Formats: sequence, structure tokens, C-alpha cells
Amino acid sequence: EDQVTQSPEALRLQEGESSSLNCSYTVSGLRGLFWYRQDPGKGPEFLFTLYSAGEEKEKERLKATLTKKESFLHITAPKPEDSATYLCAVQAFERGAQKLVFGQGTRLTINP
Amino acid sequence: DTEVTQTPKHLVMGMTNKKSLKCEQHMGHRAMYWYKQKAKKPPELMFVYSYEKLSINESVPSRFSPECPNSSLLNLHLHALQPEDSALYLCASSLRDRDYEQYFGPGTRLTVT
Repeated sequence: EDQVTQSPEALRLQEGESSSLNCSYTVSGLRGLFWYRQDPGKGPEFLFTLYSAGEEKEKERLKATLTKKESFLHITAPKPEDSATYLCAVQAFERGAQKLVFGQGTRLTINP
Repeated sequence: DTEVTQTPKHLVMGMTNKKSLKCEQHMGHRAMYWYKQKAKKPPELMFVYSYEKLSINESVPSRFSPECPNSSLLNLHLHALQPEDSALYLCASSLRDRDYEQYFGPGTRLTVT
């Protein structure tokens, strides 16, 4: 069964304090791993897609990396506006259609 | 432009009401999705439409009825809902139903009284 586990569940950092969020997965044939950011009461905002081990992508203070078993979202010198829930998802197929399997998310709080 | 729009933003309905949620995208995406999200939980897939045809129904109760009138529009018809159906309902779309990222709308906050 395809499964995604994110850790930690919640993380509080001081502004400027770099850290990493973890997403470990088990999937029968990875077709894509996705990172989303979600603010309270809003829809998830697409951040990155990673397809193969060793791949890295960056956007502003965020950098996503992928190995064969997990993905990391590195946050460098975060600002309060980076506070959000970060969701990881892997692509699974069911009856010929794509289905995203989400992790439970990491709630990130950046204190000024 | 990666915009998915949803209306209304908020909806309060009684258990005997009939209402509809609307989702629209003009990105040429041919796969559209409905998700339900409860507080502090990840989105939970309800339905997938691919090329205007229903391809996945995640055993959703019949009081939720999806409809895809054309490639840009997706509706979710609601009837005889229960208070536990109160949640954020999210629409998403992707270029095709595989190998492409999904873009989400802002959601409709539904409260069933």
C-alpha cells in the first residue's frame, strides 16, 4: 500500500533559523513526489515536483531534495511569512487514473 | 496562469437543503478533482474526472453528486448532508490525469447545520 509519512508534525523556529522537513514514502514505482504549502483556510499551493533520486529544486528560501526512500524540504533563513503547513504527496495510480497520496503535513511556525 | 476558481467561498446549509459547489479552470487541463479536507488533516480525494468522464469515485456517499459539464467546469451537487460533512471542499486540476502536478483552488468552506 502506498504510504507517506511526514515529520515532524509541528516545528517552531526563530526567524533566520534554518531547518529541514522530512517526507518518507513507500510506493510501488514512484512517478512523482510533490510538495505543497497550505495556509489556514486556503487551498494547497504547488511548490515542487521531484521525479528521480538525486533531483533537487529550489525556490527562494526553499530547496527540495529526493532520495529513493524520502524527500527533504530545506528552509534556509526562514521568515515569518514562511509559516504554513507543508504537505508532501506521492503519485499513485488506481484504475488508470492519478491519485495523490498525502502525508499528514508539517505545521511550520516562524517566530520573528 | 495556474488559477482554479471556486464558488462560493463559504456556504451554510441545512440538512434538507440542495446546493451546488462550482469549480472552473481555463488552463486547458483535462483532469479535475474534488477533495474534502477536515481541520488539521490532509486533503482526502473524493472524485476524479478525466476528459469529462468520472474515473475515480472514492466510495463517496450518494448525497454528493459530481458533474463535469465541460472541460473547464466541475460541479459538486449537495443534498441531504449531515453535520459531519462540514469541511473545506477543494477542487484541483492537472494537465492530464497522470504525471502532472495538481493545482488547487481556494476551496469552499461548507457548514451543515
